[in-house]
Amino acid sequence: QKEVEQDPGPLSVPEGAIVSLNCTYSNSAFQYFMWYRQYSRKGPELLMYTYSSGNKEDGRFTAQVDKSSKYISLFIRDSQPSDSATYLCAMSRYSSASKIIFGSGTRLSIRP
Amino acid sequence: DSGVTQTPKHLITATGQRVTLRCSPRSGDLSVYWYQQSLDQGLQFLIQYYNGEERAKGNILERFSAQQFPDLHSELNLSSLELGDSALYFCASSVAGGGTQETQYFGPGTRLLVL
Repeated sequence: QKEVEQDPGPLSVPEGAIVSLNCTYSNSAFQYFMWYRQYSRKGPELLMYTYSSGNKEDGRFTAQVDKSSKYISLFIRDSQPSDSATYLCAMSRYSSASKIIFGSGTRLSIRP
Repeated sequence: DSGVTQTPKHLITATGQRVTLRCSPRSGDLSVYWYQQSLDQGLQFLIQYYNGEERAKGNILERFSAQQFPDLHSELNLSSLELGDSALYFCASSVAGGGTQETQYFGPGTRLLVL
């Protein structure tokens, strides 16, 4: 079993919809949680960073961490075609970038 | 554009060969990271250098090696290539030693195909 599980999709939603992307994990020691966005033929870029449990909001994006359920989510409100990309969750038990474990990514497509 | 450059963009080679991938970090960034992204393994951390010194090692094979030069650019050397080494290789850089709160800026990647 992988440490981090993420549904690969693809997920296709109409423009303006609320998108929910999720990951589950097995290691309860994870403390640092991230979401990366990767456009086709580009490198990943950091979208959201959260330490421990709770919510974090940045514009149209909200990241949620539920450590009791070992479940993290990324919500995208008012989705736009430009949000079409692969979204990777990532997490770490240490405050070291070298220990980050990435999910396999969910491919998201926003239909105009 | 992240400011991280990688060359070449594409590389096609044969099994048993050796290749060198090059990365120039963002101006001012001291840490360089190498990652491998494949369909079956996802994005995996290989190795990190900080200001010329190896800082951390991940799932890097013994056939692979890397170094960071005084001008902070880095090279990843892959030798005795196998079909399974076909993947996207990303370089990323960050300003300091590599805490999870530091943003890593990823380059566009080098797509390696081993035939």
